[in-house]
Amino acid sequence: DTAVSQTPKYLVTQMGNDKSIKCEQNLGHDTMYWYKQDSKKFLKIMFSYNNKELIINETVPNRFSPKSPDKAHLNLHINSLELGDSAVYFCASSPVLAGGPYEQYFGPGTRLTVT
Amino acid sequence: QKEVEQDPGPLSVPEGAIVSLNCTYSNSAFQYFMWYRQYSRKGPELLMYTYSSGNKEDGRFTAQVDKSSKYISLFIRDSQPSDSATYLCARGSGNTGKLIFGQGTTLQVKP
Repeated sequence: DTAVSQTPKYLVTQMGNDKSIKCEQNLGHDTMYWYKQDSKKFLKIMFSYNNKELIINETVPNRFSPKSPDKAHLNLHINSLELGDSAVYFCASSPVLAGGPYEQYFGPGTRLTVT
Repeated sequence: QKEVEQDPGPLSVPEGAIVSLNCTYSNSAFQYFMWYRQYSRKGPELLMYTYSSGNKEDGRFTAQVDKSSKYISLFIRDSQPSDSATYLCARGSGNTGKLIFGQGTTLQVKP
């Protein structure tokens, strides 16, 4: 069973389009995250949710909107896609929000290419 | 200056070599450090973590933190071709679970 799954795995789209990436975890974790990894492998947090509540909202353009319908799901919607949005987007989950070095379990990533 | 800095490499070593991977950090408001390994086209996975000072050993891997110089290291003994991956260091705070990652160092272990 896949612990953290993302769909789609690959996404190729044109500038100006709107797209969504879905994430699901079956680990029973309370906290979920979205990360962006650029072409130089730099991994940067975008958002985190704890029990459907937004906790971390980094300086991300408001074209990016996360939504957590329940604590097992965290989706990412991107409006008006730009060339600079091309990257690999990773979803992750961890058992609890805070209190120690809890492992964050990463999904396989969604490779977004904007042309 | 980035909060966590790593030399991106690539680093190429022969099988059996001792590998040293290093990070520096600038913000002392941390609680712990983590090392993640990322194979090509996969998500990162946790290797090990340490608190603000000291060493931690797990099999062939040793993580070390030098608080005075703001330096964190991962040593890999008897490196294997299966260790070929990108290694990401991260510093974390217990308040929000937020991890700040370094750029990652790409390691290749040649048979």
